[in-house]
Amino acid sequence: GEDVEQSLFLSVREGDSSVINCTYTDSSSTYLYWYKQEPGAGLQLLTYIFSNMDMKQDQRLTVLLNKKDKHLSLRIADTQTGDSAIYFCAGRRRKAGTALIFGKGTTLSVSS
Amino acid sequence: DVKVTQSSRYLVKRTGEKVFLECVQDMDHENMFWYRQDPGLGLRLIYFSYDVKMKEKGDIPEGYSVSREKKERFSLILESASTNQTSMYLCASGRLQNLVSYNEQFFGPGTRLTVL
Repeated sequence: GEDVEQSLFLSVREGDSSVINCTYTDSSSTYLYWYKQEPGAGLQLLTYIFSNMDMKQDQRLTVLLNKKDKHLSLRIADTQTGDSAIYFCAGRRRKAGTALIFGKGTTLSVSS
Repeated sequence: DVKVTQSSRYLVKRTGEKVFLECVQDMDHENMFWYRQDPGLGLRLIYFSYDVKMKEKGDIPEGYSVSREKKERFSLILESASTNQTSMYLCASGRLQNLVSYNEQFFGPGTRLTVL
């Protein structure tokens, strides 16, 4: 069945780059998404990539998509303590209309 | 500014009680979703609705029901709360797009439910 996998934890120092990885099984999703959840809050869309793109850059964020390996990554340059959050990758669910399927989330911890 | 609101941030209920979680969106979205979030399990879809009075089961509908009488409001009902339903519940909404379109979901702040 469809699945989205992420590593659960990442710890970096302030100023370093963070790379959060995601693999997915279903390649039918036209868009792939990264959501961010700050402590005590709901999820917010951080960025997304269209499936025919290999890379998308948005200020400090870079999304890389390797369709052959079904691998998605989110790179955060110059990571700040305010980037500490849970990051979820998501794609379209096959059998639930426009609902999304989410990975388990990667908790990013940034130390100063 | 788009908004999804949930009726309570924190809720404590007893085993066997009937629990209502309310969600309201002000964006005129057709789609609404209920997820539960548990550590190490991520977000799991409970139910979703693509129109008034329409509902579809997600991955874990057992023990839950939903109601959508108005477009802006989507309620999650725990018929007889159990301790394994202690969780964070997240509501989301989104536009009705075709399956290949960009499809952002907007989330509420969540309700942390504890069942004793």
